[in-house]
Amino acid sequence: RKEVEQDPGPFNVPEGATVAFNCTYSNSASQSFFWYRQDCRKEPKLLMSVYSSGNEDGRFTAQLNRASQYISLLIRDSKLSDSATYLCVVIYYNQGGKLIFGQGTELSVKP
Amino acid sequence: EPEVTQTPSHQVTQMGQEVILRCVPISNHLYFYWYRQILGQKVEFLVSFYNNEISEKSEIFDDQFSVERPDGSNFTLKIRSTKLEDSAMYFCASSDRGAQHFGDGTRLSIL
Repeated sequence: RKEVEQDPGPFNVPEGATVAFNCTYSNSASQSFFWYRQDCRKEPKLLMSVYSSGNEDGRFTAQLNRASQYISLLIRDSKLSDSATYLCVVIYYNQGGKLIFGQGTELSVKP
Repeated sequence: EPEVTQTPSHQVTQMGQEVILRCVPISNHLYFYWYRQILGQKVEFLVSFYNNEISEKSEIFDDQFSVERPDGSNFTLKIRSTKLEDSAMYFCASSDRGAQHFGDGTRLSIL
């Protein structure tokens, strides 16, 4: 089983749509979680951290369910500029702070 | 906003040659990382570095790889004898123990 697993997509949605991405992780010792976005051939950029209580940043909402080892990202009112690959990321502070990346979910927002 | 910078942006090298990839982390960060991404694949952890020593390394980071912080600002990754399969994007990242911030990468092409 992969350490971090995501639906690779692609998700093709119209502008204004709401889209949700899911992610599961296998190691219950996983400590902190993030969503990054990556544009084609660019570096990963931090989108938001994910907290157990759930957190929101504008149109983006992240949720974590430790019992199910499941993370989600919801994007409301999607924009053309949201088109990118969304990376689910787990950090292990007790292993030198290494990040484990999912394969990424590709999102394409169409006019 | 402070950023991680990497040089060169693209490096083309003959197989068997040594390469050094350079990174300048964000100035007040203490934790440094190298990742790589083979075209079409996920981002993979290589090594983490703290307090002038490696704190964690992956299976990929074999004896051909080394890291160094030669002065107060640079953080380098050296590959001693490159192989074709070393062709990838190499990303440097730094953090102050929280989320990691990535440089825009060095594309390494081995001929």
